[in-house]
Amino acid sequence: DIQMTQSPSTLSASVGDRITITCRASQSIGRSLAWFQQKPGKAPKLLIFEVSTLENGVPSRFSGSGSGTEFTLTISNLQPDDFATYFCHHYNSYFETFGQGTKVEVK
Amino acid sequence: QVQVQESGPGQVKPSQTLSLTCAVSGASIGGGYFYYTWIRQTAGTGLEYIGRVYPNGSPTYNPSLKSRVTITVDTSKKQSSLKLTSVTAADTAMYFCRYSFGTSDIWGQGTLVTVSS
Repeated sequence: DIQMTQSPSTLSASVGDRITITCRASQSIGRSLAWFQQKPGKAPKLLIFEVSTLENGVPSRFSGSGSGTEFTLTISNLQPDDFATYFCHHYNSYFETFGQGTKVEVK
Repeated sequence: QVQVQESGPGQVKPSQTLSLTCAVSGASIGGGYFYYTWIRQTAGTGLEYIGRVYPNGSPTYNPSLKSRVTITVDTSKKQSSLKLTSVTAADTAMYFCRYSFGTSDIWGQGTLVTVSS
């Protein structure tokens, strides 16, 4: 099975910062990569799918890039609402797997 | 607006069967391609795919859980059911149902299941 390794596990940042989260797949996954945001007590919220396509309503300060086995989520101009945990997510027709999560906390 | 709601017992005894239901409202029956996915989350293991079921009833399961999991669908009721047998403390988790249709994925709020005697 494909494993997703996400880093860092925790990221301390300030409002206005530009941050990057990395996700590495154990083998090439094409463009089947999404990013979720999760806040305590809530279900994950889809931010980006197919590596770089923003879900409707997601602010443009969120962006995704990458290919093959290495992918990144970038948040530019970090806002107070962005302090949360982020997960990468690989999906195909018969299986899904998630990264371990990156908690973005206030510096 | 499509809404998804999980329901079931919040506590299950070790060795027994965990049973949950996922109900969808606001979606039209037969409104194109759709499927239900079950995912669970623990502080220790993060988000874990349990399995998925399609309208024809054909399921796919996480190999690590396959021997204990059954996921079914009742299209007339717009529901999916999850059964996990022989539970242990390691199955204590928040269980989420996700309804996918067209290009949309709607998550339920999740239901916490604790395995304890």
